[in-house]
Amino acid sequence: GAGVSQSPRYKVTKRGQDVTLRCDPISSHATLYWYQQALGQGPEFLTYFNYEAQPDKSGLPSDRFSAERPEGSISTLTIQRTEQRDSAMYRCASSSHLTSGGAGTQYFGPGTRLTVL
Amino acid sequence: DQQVKQNSPSLSVQEGRISILNCDYTNSMFDYFLWYKKYPAEGPTFLISISSIKDKNEDGRFTVFLNKSAKHLSLHIVPSQPGDSAVYFCAASATSGTYKYIFGTGTRLKVLA
Repeated sequence: GAGVSQSPRYKVTKRGQDVTLRCDPISSHATLYWYQQALGQGPEFLTYFNYEAQPDKSGLPSDRFSAERPEGSISTLTIQRTEQRDSAMYRCASSSHLTSGGAGTQYFGPGTRLTVL
Repeated sequence: DQQVKQNSPSLSVQEGRISILNCDYTNSMFDYFLWYKKYPAEGPTFLISISSIKDKNEDGRFTVFLNKSAKHLSLHIVPSQPGDSAVYFCAASATSGTYKYIFGTGTRLKVLA
């Protein structure tokens, strides 16, 4: 695709419900990242995928959070039994390759704003 | 524990002047750094990067300087334009580890016409 897309753009849910957020990366990009961004803060790393492998999920706040990328393209982030503190912007980014100089340029999607009531 | 810090939450600069945005980091393993720019209601967009083997990288009006001994980097925008008004994030990664980036909290730049 032309850029990284995320859906839904806004999600309001009640505490205790499960939510699933979707990220559609740039089609040629091998690497996909999920971030959580609170208001007035920078993006905080949650997890990343290299194709379908998930080398690092150290940023996931609890076992209620999980992410998948089964075919190495679209990814989903699922939050089970949502809590009010999960309210944040969830951003996805993709990059074309891992280089010796870093993870490559990351292209961010517009984000999903999650509100847990 | 904030490993990447942007201590100035906001900065105002007159059009045509230099904007200097600062970023400090604590992890000596970080060796790759990026700056992102973010407009309201949009995702961050990549601006410029620098590897620790360099101390300067330039791209048009944007220059990033890296001082490894001080664990400090800065972004210079010369000349500043009103369209540069945005939130700027610095990010760092340690390429010897996994490829995750740690972001600062951002600096809101306002360029006054």
